[in-house]
Amino acid sequence: GEDVEQSLFLSVREGDSSVINCTYTDSSSTYLYWYKQEPGAGLQLLTYIFSNMDMKQDQRLTVLLNKKDKHLSLRIADTQTGDSAIYFCADVRGGSQGNLIFGKGTKLSVKP
Amino acid sequence: KAGVTQTPRYLIKTRGQQVTLSCSPISGHRSVSWYQQTPGQGLQFLFEYFSETQRNKGNFPGRFSGRQFSNSRSEMNVSTLELGDSALYLCASSLGQDETQYFGPGTRLLVL
Repeated sequence: GEDVEQSLFLSVREGDSSVINCTYTDSSSTYLYWYKQEPGAGLQLLTYIFSNMDMKQDQRLTVLLNKKDKHLSLRIADTQTGDSAIYFCADVRGGSQGNLIFGKGTKLSVKP
Repeated sequence: KAGVTQTPRYLIKTRGQQVTLSCSPISGHRSVSWYQQTPGQGLQFLFEYFSETQRNKGNFPGRFSGRQFSNSRSEMNVSTLELGDSALYLCASSLGQDETQYFGPGTRLLVL
């Protein structure tokens, strides 16, 4: 069935780059999303990539998509302590963007 | 432009009771989706509404229901509450049926 998988934890030092990885199974995916969740808060849309793109850059964020391997990654350059949060990768279920399948989330810890 | 708002933000109920949660989408957005977030199951899709019609439904029992009004505001109802219904309930809105979703802060429900 459709599934999205992520590693659960990532720890980096302030100023380093963070790379969060995600794999998905739905080959009909049109968009793939990255959301950020801070403690006690809802989900904040970080960025998304259309399935016909290989890469998208938005300031400190770089998204790489390998459609053949169904692998998505989010790179955060110059990671700051304020980037500490849980990051969710999301795929679109059955072509409907109103129905997202989320990974379990990667908890990013940034040490000063 | 104001974001997605959800009321109430926190709620405590007892088993067997029912609860209604409210979501006001971003102005101009016509699609609303609901998700349940728990530590064990992660983020799971409940349902999606567009123009007052339920477009998609997740794999939840019939105790979970929702509706959307002509002004695009949405409510979800959970009847006969169980302890396992304790969760963060997130609402997301988008301009149309297949557009990027923006999430509200969530309603945290505790069932005792």
